[in-house]
Amino acid sequence: DTGVSQNPRHKITKRGQNVTFRCDPISEHNRLYWYRQTLGQGPEFLTYFQNEAQLEKSRLLSDRFSAERPKGSFSTLEIQRTEQGDSAMYLCASSLGSGSEYRPFGQGTRLTVV
Amino acid sequence: GENVEQHPSTLSVQEGDSAVIKCTYSDSASNYFPWYKQELGKRPQLIIDIRSNVGEKKDQRIAVTLNKTAKHFSLHITETQPEDSAVYFCAASGPGGSYIPTFGRGTSLIVHP
Repeated sequence: DTGVSQNPRHKITKRGQNVTFRCDPISEHNRLYWYRQTLGQGPEFLTYFQNEAQLEKSRLLSDRFSAERPKGSFSTLEIQRTEQGDSAMYLCASSLGSGSEYRPFGQGTRLTVV
Repeated sequence: GENVEQHPSTLSVQEGDSAVIKCTYSDSASNYFPWYKQELGKRPQLIIDIRSNVGEKKDQRIAVTLNKTAKHFSLHITETQPEDSAVYFCAASGPGGSYIPTFGRGTSLIVHP
């Protein structure tokens, strides 16, 4: 499968714990996006990278959230001191260049904070 | 920033009927409007898109129309089938938002056999 890949698919964690998700984009895609989707909502933009540079962050991305893309390939999204409100599906997407409309999503990581 | 409103939130139709989902957007600079279908527990998948230089686009049973002046666009599904049941999301993107799509809240389409 040469699409966008996310791991893990599901994560259950206790409130206050840290979690980290991984996204592997389509190999030639230089842009990588993170979204969050809660029940009954559309995907909400969190942040995006062009190569290894993080170019934009949403107001939704609190100080407890950090994302990296150290070598311009895969990316990680870490949530520190998780809260129940962090429970959501975290989606990653990638694209080739800024104007490219082909922007497929990964399968997502469903986070449940108990 | 861009704001996308989507209606209705739920749409129930009989198999064979048509379904129409409507979206409005706020940023007149937006120039790309994709539609996604998301089945339960799966990722959103692009089903059709339209650019601002086109008023209508059709692909088999689905079509999208765009009215730039009124800043609204619609998804039309004809001859609906039970497998069309899913949540549909519209989105808008353009230079004003770094070409990052802003999504609507989704429409849950239920097609009754």
